[in-house]
Amino acid sequence: EVQLVESGGGLVQPGRSLRLSCTGSGFIFADYAVSWVRQAPGKGLEWLGFIKSESYGGTTEYAASVRGRFTISRDDSKGIAYLHMNSLKTDDTAVYYCTKTGHWGQGTLVTVSS
Amino acid sequence: DIQMTQSPSSLSASVGDRVTITCRASQDIRNDLGWYQQRPGKAPKGLIYSVSGLQPGVPSRFSGSGSGTEFTLTISSLQPEDFATYYCLQHNSYPYTFGQGTKLEI
Repeated sequence: EVQLVESGGGLVQPGRSLRLSCTGSGFIFADYAVSWVRQAPGKGLEWLGFIKSESYGGTTEYAASVRGRFTISRDDSKGIAYLHMNSLKTDDTAVYYCTKTGHWGQGTLVTVSS
Repeated sequence: DIQMTQSPSSLSASVGDRVTITCRASQDIRNDLGWYQQRPGKAPKGLIYSVSGLQPGVPSRFSGSGSGTEFTLTISSLQPEDFATYYCLQHNSYPYTFGQGTKLEI
């Protein structure tokens, strides 16, 4: 069974950094691109970016709202994708999901507040 | 950026009804469109890929159609578990973009 599990969320002060993890199982992690999507409280889904598989160069793409602040990376040996978030703002408060080809994790809540 | 406009934003229906949700793209996205369902308090779930492909395990009452700039998600006979919010997503060009969502209510 394909599973994606996000972790690393929590309460963080504005301006600080946080790293989220997405651990995949039940499939060959290295073969798939992984996307990150967030959902602010009471709002819709926002695509943040993704990382291609290494066989497609492992390249990344980002939404304008996070480009330059957020970085996506992957460690295929561990089956984990990361979302590194810097210079966090209160507007970054959201549930963060990772996803691959129709499968989604359960999400992890990030709250940015002083 | 490609804008995805869903209509309606909300929809009231009854069990057994046939409903259609529309997603319009601001430019041609070929068949690079998926549909997602999100039940309250839950993570989204993939329903449809590439306009009309059914994700494994998704009931056949769900179907998708369209091409270019106009796409539809149809539920042929609503079941109680179908009351949720539905989103389209274009993955034709970066940044990928979601529609604003359609809330399907009883």
